[in-house]
Amino acid sequence: DIQLTQSPSFLSASVGDRVTITCRASQAISNFLAWYQQKPGKAPTLLIYAASTLQSGVPSRFSGSGSGTEFTLTISSLQPEDFATYYCQQLKSDPLFTFGPGTKVDI
Amino acid sequence: QITLKESGPTLVKPTQTLTLTCTFSGFSLSTSGVGVGWIRLPPGKALEWLAYIYGNDDRRYSPSLKSRLSISKDTSKNQVVLTMTNMDPVDTATYYCAHSIFSGGWHFDYWGQGTPVTVSS
Repeated sequence: DIQLTQSPSFLSASVGDRVTITCRASQAISNFLAWYQQKPGKAPTLLIYAASTLQSGVPSRFSGSGSGTEFTLTISSLQPEDFATYYCQQLKSDPLFTFGPGTKVDI
Repeated sequence: QITLKESGPTLVKPTQTLTLTCTFSGFSLSTSGVGVGWIRLPPGKALEWLAYIYGNDDRRYSPSLKSRLSISKDTSKNQVVLTMTNMDPVDTATYYCAHSIFSGGWHFDYWGQGTPVTVSS
C-alpha cells in the first residue's frame, strides 16, 4: 500500500510569509496527487489536483508542484484566512484516496 | 450546482451498526466517470478515507475497515448509503460524503457539510 508523509506536521507562520508544505509518497504516483485545506468545523476544500492544477476559484497564491514521490504545496503570501490544516491525497494506486497525516498552519 | 448532504444518527452505542445517507443533487451517479466517497475526521486526528462507489457500481473500501463497511447507491433517489458495523468509541468522528469526477485523478471536488457521530454507551 502507498503511504503518504507530510512535513512539517505543524508550521508557525505570519501573514505575508511564503509557506511550503511537502508531501512524500512511498511509491511513485506520477502526478496523481491532490491538496485540500480544512478549517475547524468545516468540510475540506480542494485546492490543487493533478499535482499542479489549481481548482477553479482557488486564489493564485496557492500552487503545487512535483511528480513521482515528492510534491510541494506553496502559499506565496500567507493570508489570515489561510490558517488551517492542509492534507495531500494520492489517487494513483489502491487503496485509492489515501490522505496524508496533515500539516497545521498556525500563527 | 452540485450539493451533497449527510444524514444519520448523531449517537450510536458500541457494537451497533451505523447507517449514513448522502443525498446529492446536481449530478447523476448512473454514468461512468463520476463517483461518491465517504471520508471521516476523528477529533484531533487526520482525514481518513472510508469507501467509494463509482457510477458503474464498482466499489472500493479502506483495507483497514473493509470487513465492517458497505456502500451502495440508489440512483432514483440520488442517494449513497454507507453502513459500518460493530461501532466502537474510536469511530467517533465527523463523517463526510464527497463527489468526484475523473480529471487527472478521482479527487473530491465537492463535499457535504459533514455529520458528527459519537459512539458511546
